[in-house]
This record gives sequence, structure tokens and C-alpha cells, in this order.
Amino acid sequence: DSGVTQTPKHLITATGQRVTLRCSPRSGDLSVYWYQQSLDQGLQFLIHYYNGEERAKGNILERFSAQQFPDLHSELNLSSLELGDSALYFCASSLGGSSYNEQFFGPGTRLTVL
Amino acid sequence: QQQVKQSPQSLIVQKGGISIINCAYENTAFDYFPWYQQFPGKGPALLIAIRPDVSEKKEGRFTISFNKSAKQFSLHIMDSQPGDSATYFCAANGAKGGGADGLTFGKGTHLIIQP
Repeated sequence: DSGVTQTPKHLITATGQRVTLRCSPRSGDLSVYWYQQSLDQGLQFLIHYYNGEERAKGNILERFSAQQFPDLHSELNLSSLELGDSALYFCASSLGGSSYNEQFFGPGTRLTVL
Repeated sequence: QQQVKQSPQSLIVQKGGISIINCAYENTAFDYFPWYQQFPGKGPALLIAIRPDVSEKKEGRFTISFNKSAKQFSLHIMDSQPGDSATYFCAANGAKGGGADGLTFGKGTHLIIQP
């Protein structure tokens, strides 16, 4: 158990809908990263938040957004969902703002868009 | 553009044998190279990592070999055990400086250790 929690575990929704994925980092960790894992694209970095501030963006679509709250939990919002958004979404947390710090991954949220 | 290329896609090794997974990168600004292990239904977990100032790092049965001039690095699993059966990902970071970016992952290697 990495200490990172993600909810929900599974999410099934329809095209055009909006969903919110939630992540609670390990106690004491200030950074949260979001990744998408799919069969065709593999593991892709989406976005990084450090202590409430956005630090870096990766291959995140404009339909997707994230935020990190004062209690350091983070939410990833996916809107206008398409079939191709079906994937596993992982969050990872680390102690500091540098990704040279070890990233601890949560168990993931499996999103299915029908 | 695939910045980290990983091979092979799948690998079958006999118990007790050596498993070798290779990765190559393109961006010379990368300066942190971790390997992650992922079991079905779980998130990736850090196995071992290396910085370019050393050519080899060993932790137990796991060794990373790093060739900076060739821009290649590899994971060796000695005395492979059935419990090592998992998907392994190489990754890299540091491309934009400061390390704030997320990891760039290879496509993964599905390793099966046959008893």
C-alpha cells in the first residue's frame, strides 16, 4: 500500500458527460501528479501540482482540468467525455516539488466511457 | 514522438535466469532514470533509479546499467523469480530543468518468469 488513495475505483459513464476523480496524497507529501494509462498511449503525464499551485503540464487535454486544495487532496475533472478517454487514471504523490523525489502511485481509477 | 523507447514488449525467462530490459532515450536533458514495477490492478511502484553520474546501480537482485554516450539504460533482474512476473516501465525526467515535469515512461515490458 503506497499510502495514496484514489476514489472511485471504477467509473462508468456516457460520452459527453463530466466526471471528477479524487486523490489524497501520502501524509506529508506536497506534490500530486496525475497520469493517464491506456493500451495505445501507455503511461502519460498529465499535470503536476505542488502545495496548491500548478507546477507543470504534460499531455493534458483542454477538456481536462485539475486542482489541489488547501488540505492537499487533488481532483481531476474530465468533461465532454469521449470514448477515447477510457483509461486508468493514476495520481502519484511525492514529498517535494522536484520529480527527483520518489513518486508514490495510487491504485488508480478505471474510467469507462460508453 | 516517443522520447523513451523500451524493449522488448514481452519477455519470458526461466526461474533463476537473468531478465534484461532495455531503454533508449532521445532528450539529453534527461537526468533521472527510474524503473517502475506494476502488478495487475495496482499502480506502478518504484523499483530502482539512477542518475547519469554513475554507470551502474545495484539494489539486491536488481541492477541498472547506464550508458550516457549511447543514451541507453537497462534493467537486469538476477535470479528471476515467479514473483517478479509483472510489467516493468523505464522512465526519465529532467527534460525541462528543475524536475517539475512528470515522468516520461517507456511503453512497458510484460515479464513472465516460468517456474
